[in-house]
Amino acid sequence: SQELEQSPQSLIVQEGKNLTINCTSSKTLYGLYWYKQKYGEGLIFLMMLQKGGEEKSHEKITAKLDEKKQQSSLHITASQPSHAGIYLCGADNTGTASKLTFGTGTRLQVTL
Amino acid sequence: DADVTQTPRNRITKTGKRIMLECSQTKGHDRMYWYRQDPGLGLQLIYYSFDVKDINKGEISDGYSVSRQAQAKFSLSLESAIPNQTALYFCATSEGSGGATYNEQFFGPGTRLTVL
Repeated sequence: SQELEQSPQSLIVQEGKNLTINCTSSKTLYGLYWYKQKYGEGLIFLMMLQKGGEEKSHEKITAKLDEKKQQSSLHITASQPSHAGIYLCGADNTGTASKLTFGTGTRLQVTL
Repeated sequence: DADVTQTPRNRITKTGKRIMLECSQTKGHDRMYWYRQDPGLGLQLIYYSFDVKDINKGEISDGYSVSRQAQAKFSLSLESAIPNQTALYFCATSEGSGGATYNEQFFGPGTRLTVL
């Protein structure tokens, strides 16, 4: 099984709707990183969470970290076509920030 | 100009050929990484380097080798390419110095490799 599970694997939402993507680690989380990837392109860093209960927002995207559950959620409010892409979470399970383990990604489509 | 560049961007080659993918960065970062991305499998770490003299194997290093020619350059080689190495390859860098507790990685645009 994957060390870092993302759900759902894919998502189609209508423009204006809210959505949530989850990322669960089977190992202790020392840091959780969210990235966005446009199809076939490189990854763009969104935000990083390190402390339990931490919540960060950037424009209409909010990420939270539940340290006890070893889980993070990414919430998009009032989705727009520009939000379409693949969202990946990356986990620091080492505690030394030496490397990240990535989830399989969530493919998001936003319809008009 | 892009901070992390990869060459080539696309490559088609045949089974058994030797292939080198190159990565250069202008961010001044010490740490560099090579990943491959396959549909449904996310990113898998191939090799990573914390400085010119420090090279480490990742999850899937078999069939690959790397060279850290300078702080700014990290190349990935496939000594004898096989079809299941067809994938999208990414290079990434991070600042991470001793005692760092964060590892924001900056990614290149990727190289799409097809092995026939």
